[in-house]
Amino acid sequence: DAGITQSPRYKITETGRQVTLMCHQTWSHSYMFWYRQDLGHGLRLIYYSAAADITDKGEVPDGYVVSRSKTENFPLTLESATRSQTSVYFCASTTASSGNTIYFGEGSWLTVV
Amino acid sequence: GIQVEQSPPDLILQEGANSTLRCNFSDSVNNLQWFHQNPWGQLINLFYIPSGTKQNGRLSATTVATERYSLLYISSSQTTDSGVYFCAVQNTGTASKLTFGTGTRLQVTL
Repeated sequence: DAGITQSPRYKITETGRQVTLMCHQTWSHSYMFWYRQDLGHGLRLIYYSAAADITDKGEVPDGYVVSRSKTENFPLTLESATRSQTSVYFCASTTASSGNTIYFGEGSWLTVV
Repeated sequence: GIQVEQSPPDLILQEGANSTLRCNFSDSVNNLQWFHQNPWGQLINLFYIPSGTKQNGRLSATTVATERYSLLYISSSQTTDSGVYFCAVQNTGTASKLTFGTGTRLQVTL
């Protein structure tokens, strides 16, 4: 049972570069989410998806793009990385049959220099 | 949007002690979950508890939705309980989006 996996786990990139964080889940959960975690802010929702080809903005979507062509994948792209996007990014998934319990990936540590 | 406040922000316990963590929220919810983030950053779901009481080993949780608060009880704490505990809620009528509190940082010492 692989669950939900994120890649890369750690990345350093330069300001202005495009970065894509990958998220893959093996449960066929309908909902998937991207959160970022910063000191003093807890976890904040960036984007979420209710199903393949359905995505919507969360609390802090600016500077990010998502897609969901397949149920199991939900990549997050930083189109032009900025230092303020240095953070830990968590992907998560849930579905009604799991009792709406949300399961998180292990996180992707991103540093923008 | 909905506001989530957790208290206390920090807590230090000796091993074997009991503790109660509180989560207050500003609006009605149809989803409330408690998470533990261990020192390595992994987020583990503890409870899905929009109302009522649940127990899992040394942990239990109670949500009183009408009064807009939830409590997480940790009994006979162990050093492995250290980490940050988050409460997260979902507004009634929204699409499975959780709003997180800023957490309670727990340190259990020998």
